[in-house]
Amino acid sequence: QVQLVQSGAEVKKPGASVKVSCKTSGYTFIAHYIHWVRQAPGQGLEWMGWINPNSGGTNSAQKFQGRVTMTRDTSIRTAYMDLSRLRPDDTAMYFCARDLNFPISPPSFDSWGQGTLVTVAS
Amino acid sequence: EIVLTQSPGTLSLSPGERVTLSCRASQSIRNNYLAWYQQRPGQAPRLLIYGASSRAAGIPDRFSGSGSGTDFTLTISRLEPEDFAVYYCKQYDGSSLTFGGGTKVEIK
Repeated sequence: QVQLVQSGAEVKKPGASVKVSCKTSGYTFIAHYIHWVRQAPGQGLEWMGWINPNSGGTNSAQKFQGRVTMTRDTSIRTAYMDLSRLRPDDTAMYFCARDLNFPISPPSFDSWGQGTLVTVAS
Repeated sequence: EIVLTQSPGTLSLSPGERVTLSCRASQSIRNNYLAWYQQRPGQAPRLLIYGASSRAAGIPDRFSGSGSGTDFTLTISRLEPEDFAVYYCKQYDGSSLTFGGGTKVEIK
């Protein structure tokens, strides 16, 4: 079955960077885009961007451009999200999610990782 | 950026009731690129509906989506205990995705 397993919780100081991994199994890795979505404590969902695991091409929300880097390693079926210049308001649960069939059909996140809690505090 | 407004913020209902959730967009959503997700406490979201009205794999038929343009609806025909959760709509405008603020469906 499709599985996305994320790396463990992180605690970072303001100004630092964090890199979250998303290891996949159960499907053809390069055939499905991976999205990153975050959720601050008690808040709603916020899309950060996607990566095309086949080409490595990315697209990120304007809010995160210049701070987020999404990469992948096809040999180990893993996607990564690196967020730099962290601020306290970046404290959130970060999710990776597989896309059903984008860009052939609308972005639809049909499988999700368990989430990685990133805490930014001095 | 298209803003999605979900209403109401919270609904208090009993199992067995019918519920209709609203998602209104600040601009028309192209090609009905509107999806609905359910999130239970402590869990990752789950895809319910994509393309405004297509049920995702494994989603019970008590969930249905409808709407077009700027007004979209998620209907749960008969609430089951596991349906008490937060529901989010999400749109794609060709370059960016945004989520609505969510509607919490709680037990009355």
